Amino acid sequence: DGGITQSPKYLFRKEGQNVTLSCEQNLNHDAMYWYRQDPGQGLRLIYYSQIVNDFQKGDIAEGYSVSREKKESFPLTVTSAQKNPTAFYLCASRSRDRGLDGELFFGEGSRLTVL
Amino acid sequence: AQTVTQSQPEMSVQEAETVTLSCTYDTSESDYYLFWYKQPPSRQMILVIRQEAYKQQNATENRFSVNFQKAAKSFSLKISDSQLGDAAMYFCAYRTPYSGGGADGLTFGKGTHLIIQP
Repeated sequence: DGGITQSPKYLFRKEGQNVTLSCEQNLNHDAMYWYRQDPGQGLRLIYYSQIVNDFQKGDIAEGYSVSREKKESFPLTVTSAQKNPTAFYLCASRSRDRGLDGELFFGEGSRLTVL
Repeated sequence: AQTVTQSQPEMSVQEAETVTLSCTYDTSESDYYLFWYKQPPSRQMILVIRQEAYKQQNATENRFSVNFQKAAKSFSLKISDSQLGDAAMYFCAYRTPYSGGGADGLTFGKGTHLIIQP
């Protein structure tokens, strides 16, 4: 079945360490996104990529980095510069062929806790 | 910047009853798309329904329907015959029109926690 796989599902990190969250999709979607979810805050866009080897900052990109070397993969690195990294992270993808009404398909998320 | 507001942090409804979740948004665009997503306890986001701004007819998907009031910038979700499986967080979202350089993501509201009482 096609879908989006995020790993790991739970991750613990010590302060000062970088950590990378994996996101892989086999939907053949061009566009991929990373969102952060905090209690009472909804979802906020971190980074997005519309095509391989290109990505753009979202609303809260500071302290995060991404790469898009392959169409199916869009890993997110949470760096030590991120002041409050404990959160739930959601990866999503979209087929650009569907136009603006194309829905986002989401992974199951990764819960990052900084100790 | 576009904003999406969900004024009801939590709603409660008896099983089999009807409930309406409210959503308002702020935009200067005339063409856009609106979505309602459901996030059950598993935390995976699932699309419930979508609405194109240029369509006057309200979207319907089985027990789910919307009341889209473009002039008022309102996009409420009505759930009929509520079921226990409807219990979840519901997020209203707006799509920023892609104009070659703008953000190509969804802007989400903060969500409404829907409780279904048996």
